[in-house]
Amino acid sequence: AQKVTQAQTEISVVEKEDVTLDCVYETRDTTYYLFWYKQPPSGELVFLIRRNSFDEQNEISGRYSWNFQKSTSSFNFTITASQVVDSAVYFCALSGVNTGFQKLVFGTGTRLLVSP
Amino acid sequence: EAQVTQNPRYLITVTGKKLTVTCSQNMNHEYMSWYRQDPGLGLRQIYYSMNVEVTDKGDVPEGYKVSRKEKRNFPLILESPSPNQTSLYFCASSPTTGLLYNEQFFGPGTRLTVL
Repeated sequence: AQKVTQAQTEISVVEKEDVTLDCVYETRDTTYYLFWYKQPPSGELVFLIRRNSFDEQNEISGRYSWNFQKSTSSFNFTITASQVVDSAVYFCALSGVNTGFQKLVFGTGTRLLVSP
Repeated sequence: EAQVTQNPRYLITVTGKKLTVTCSQNMNHEYMSWYRQDPGLGLRQIYYSMNVEVTDKGDVPEGYKVSRKEKRNFPLILESPSPNQTSLYFCASSPTTGLLYNEQFFGPGTRLTVL
């Protein structure tokens, strides 16, 4: 069975602080994909990143960076110099070869509050 | 513009009154699915469809029906809604081939309240 754990229910930071959102996953698939989505207060899901299990390179996109470590089954997300606009719920998700990579298994989400 | 649309976006109804939430995509995707989002539970898959006339249960199918008569449409039907179906619903579509074969395109969400 596949499972995604986001142990941090809510994180509060002050603007310009760095913050890391944790994601730990479980899967028996040898090939899988990991995702991060952002859900702002308006409610839509915004795709942030997709990473396949064969690519353990860290990724940086502006103030966002992702650290993928297969050894610890983690795919953590760091926001550098956080801004109020980063306030949202962030979901980590997993899809595996056994479901044709189509079905996403989501974590329970981490609510990030960035105050001015 | 490539998109997934859902209607209605907001709905308040009463227990037992049948309703349908429509979902349509214009990307010719084979795969479509429905998720529900509940506080503390994340998103869970309700039903999915691999192609026209092919549907199957996801993780939380009880109380829902779907149909896939056309490739672009995948309506979610609640025959007799109950308060525990109050939730935020997302439709998603995905191609099954090509470079984006596992990227989910989500609709804007439908917030349903059942009184």
